[in-house]
Amino acid sequence: QKEVEQNSGPLSVPEGAIASLNCTYSDRGSQSFFWYRQYSGKSPELIMSIYSNGDKEDGRFTAQLNKASQYVSLLIRDSQPSDSATYLCAVRNSGAGSYQLTFGKGTKLSVIP
Amino acid sequence: DAGVIQSPRHEVTEMGQEVTLRCKPISGHNSLFWYRQTMMRGLELLIYFNNNVPIDDSGMPEDRFSAKMPNASFSTLKIQPSEPRDSAVYFCASSLVRSQETQYFGPGTRLLVL
Repeated sequence: QKEVEQNSGPLSVPEGAIASLNCTYSDRGSQSFFWYRQYSGKSPELIMSIYSNGDKEDGRFTAQLNKASQYVSLLIRDSQPSDSATYLCAVRNSGAGSYQLTFGKGTKLSVIP
Repeated sequence: DAGVIQSPRHEVTEMGQEVTLRCKPISGHNSLFWYRQTMMRGLELLIYFNNNVPIDDSGMPEDRFSAKMPNASFSTLKIQPSEPRDSAVYFCASSLVRSQETQYFGPGTRLLVL
C-alpha cells in the first residue's frame, strides 16, 4: 500500500511569514512529486511539480525534494491571506506505465492578516 | 477554453437508489480520472481511462460502482445501489496521455446518500 503522509494542521502563520509544508512518502521508486492547492469547497489545482533532488522555485513557492529521505516540502514565502487553503502532496506511483497519483490527506494552511 | 465539466454539482438521494455522475473532459485530453474525496480517506483514485479504455479500476470500492467512457468527450460513474458511506465529493480530472501527471480537475459532485 503506497502511502503519502502529511501533517493535517491547521498550520497558522502570520501574513508575510514563510509557511513550510511537509510530506513523506513510502514508495521508494517514485520519481515525480506534486503539490496541489485546494480552496474550501473547490477542486484541487496543480501549483508545483518536482522531479529531481534539490529545490525548485516558482515565484513565492519553492518545492524541495530529498529522495533518500523520501521527503518533499513546499515553502511559501511572504504568505498572503489568499494562500489560506489545503495543500495536497501527490506522488506518482512507480512501475512501468503507471500514471497514478497517490495523494496525501492535505495540510490546512491559515494565513493570519 | 472550458475546463472539465461535471454534473450534477450536488446530488441528494436515498439509500438504495441509483446515482449517475457525469463528466466531460477538456477537449483534446485523452486521459480521464475519477476520484473520491472524504475527510477520513482524503482523495482516492477510483478508475482511469486512456483513449476511452479503462486502464486501472483497482480503486473502485466494490461491484456497486461502475464507470464507462463511451467516447472521448463523456464519462459516467454509476453507483447502484447507493449507500450512506458513499457520501463524498466525486471529482473527474483529465489530462493528455503524454503528460498524465498534469491533471485538471472538474468542480466535483457533492453526493449525499441519506
